This record gives sequence, C-alpha cells and structure tokens, in this order.
Amino acid sequence: EVQLVESGGGLVQPGGSLRLSCAASGFTFSNYAMSWVRQAPGEGLEWVSSISSSGDSTHYADSVKGRFTFSRDNSKNTLYLQMNSLRAEDTAVYYCAKEPYDFWSGSSTFDHWGQGTLVTVSS
Amino acid sequence: DIQMTQSPSSLSASVGDRVTITCRASQGISNYLAWFQQKPGKAPKSLIYAASNLQRGVPSKFSGSGSGTDFTLTISSLQPEDFATYYCQQYNSYPPTFGQGTKLEIK
Repeated sequence: EVQLVESGGGLVQPGGSLRLSCAASGFTFSNYAMSWVRQAPGEGLEWVSSISSSGDSTHYADSVKGRFTFSRDNSKNTLYLQMNSLRAEDTAVYYCAKEPYDFWSGSSTFDHWGQGTLVTVSS
Repeated sequence: DIQMTQSPSSLSASVGDRVTITCRASQGISNYLAWFQQKPGKAPKSLIYAASNLQRGVPSKFSGSGSGTDFTLTISSLQPEDFATYYCQQYNSYPPTFGQGTKLEIK
C-alpha cells in the first residue's frame, strides 16, 4: 500500500523559512516522479513543484520559483521542500503526491496523496 | 497557462441521482485530464486519469469522457459517501492546473 507522510509544517513569520519532508513507502520510490500540491484555507488545489525520479530535474510554479527548492533522497525514500522568504499567501496545507510515472513530454498528474501538513505564515 | 473551468461550481442532488460535472480547458489537452474527489479535511483522492480510465479500486459508478477541450465526470446512483468536492486537472503541459472545484451537496 502506498503511504506518503508529510511533516515539518507549522507557524512561521513572513520572510522566514521552513523545510517540509515527505516519507514514502509501499512502492519503488526511485522509479517515480513526485510533486507538492498546496491548498490555501477554503480554496482549491494549486500545484507547487515536481521532481523527476532521479532528482536531476525539477519544475516550479511561478509563485514559488526562486524561493522554494524541491529535492529527494532516494536512499531514504524521502522528499524535501525547502521554503524560504515565506509570504502570507504561502499559507496552505501542503500535500506530497506520487505521480504515476517519471517525467515525460507532458506534465504532472497524481495517483496517490499524503494527508498534508499545514504551513501558516503570520506574524 | 491552461485554464480549467468547471461547471457548475456547486450542485445539489439526492441519494440515488445521477449527476454530471463539466470541465473545459482553455486550449486543447488531448485526453490528459484527471479527476479527483476531496472530502472536508481530507486529502484528494484520484478517481480518473486519461479522461476516462478509472484508478484502481474506484467503483464503476464513476465515469469520465471527453477529449480536446471538453470533459465530463458522471456519477451514477449517488450515495452519501459521494457528496464531496470534485476537481479536474490537466497534465498536457506545465504548469499542471486544476479546475476551481465542484461542490456536490445533498439536497
């Protein structure tokens, strides 16, 4: 059974930093691209970033480009999202999500989701 | 970016009803369209990929169709557990984008 468990969320001041983690199990982690998707309170879903199976390639939403860094450690089956220069508009539940395959010529979709971790940016 | 527009934004229906939700892309996306279900306080759940293919374990009461710019999700014989918010999502090109959601409520 695929399991994705996020951690690292919390309250941070504007301009601060936070690192989210996502521990994966139940599948061959190193074979699949992975993503982060967020959801602001009461709002819809917004894709944040994706990473290839090897970690060599990443994509970012314009809203986080230059501030967030997505990485993975395939030896630990773990994802990391380093979030710097946080803004109030980054407040959201952050979900890690498994993609059904590695990077391909198209874009990302998601077949399994974690339970999410809440990030609140406020003074 | 490709914009995804769902209609209606909310929908009231009764147990046993059949409902259809529409999703329109601002440009052609072939069949690179997924549907998700989300219940309050829970993570989204994948229902359909490639416009019409059910994810493993998803009951056949859910069906999807469409290609190009216009897509539909149909849910037959509504049960209490089906009342949730549904999102479409295109994965034809980056950035992947979601519709605004359709909240399905009990009448």
